[in-house]
Amino acid sequence: RKEVEQDPGPFNVPEGATVAFNCTYSNSASQSFFWYRQDCRKEPKLLMSVYSSGNEDGRFTAQLNRASQYISLLIRDSKLSDSATYLCVVMSYTGNQFYFGTGTSLTVIP
Amino acid sequence: ETGVTQTPRHLVMGMTNKKSLKCEQHLGHNAMYWYKQSAKKPLELMFVYNFKEQTENNSVPSRFSPECPNSSHLFLHLHTLQPEDSALYLCASSQEARGGSLGEQFFGPGTRLTVL
Repeated sequence: RKEVEQDPGPFNVPEGATVAFNCTYSNSASQSFFWYRQDCRKEPKLLMSVYSSGNEDGRFTAQLNRASQYISLLIRDSKLSDSATYLCVVMSYTGNQFYFGTGTSLTVIP
Repeated sequence: ETGVTQTPRHLVMGMTNKKSLKCEQHLGHNAMYWYKQSAKKPLELMFVYNFKEQTENNSVPSRFSPECPNSSHLFLHLHTLQPEDSALYLCASSQEARGGSLGEQFFGPGTRLTVL
């Protein structure tokens, strides 16, 4: 079983739409969780960390559900510039390794 | 210069060549990583250095040889590679957090490697 699983998409949504991604992880003892964004032919960049209480940064909201072992990312009022691949990242329970999902592709259409 | 830099950005090499990838971080971090990213696959962790000591080696073939002379520099020495090694090689750094676990990672732009 993969450590981290994501729906690869693609998600094609109109500007202004709300879109949500989920990511599941296999190890219940996993420590920390992150969402990264990767633009085409660029490196991944940290979008936000995911805390147990959930966190919000502008149009982006991340949530963690430890009972069901998934994290989510909600993007409100989508912009064209949100088009990218969104990577779910989970830190191992030992704290010395990160596991990446394959990424979810988002295209925001004018 | 800020952040994490990598050179070269593009590399084409034959299977008999020897080359090295270089990574430098200007963030004062104490952990550095090499990842391989192939099409349609998740990032694969290759090596982790924490305080210059290699702490993870995820069953990487010996034709890849890492070197970490100090906490700001990381090299990946390549020799007798195979065409299936063609990929984007990403370097990252992070700061070890409280309790010894690793913090958020910051990535370099990557080296796109093609093995002929």
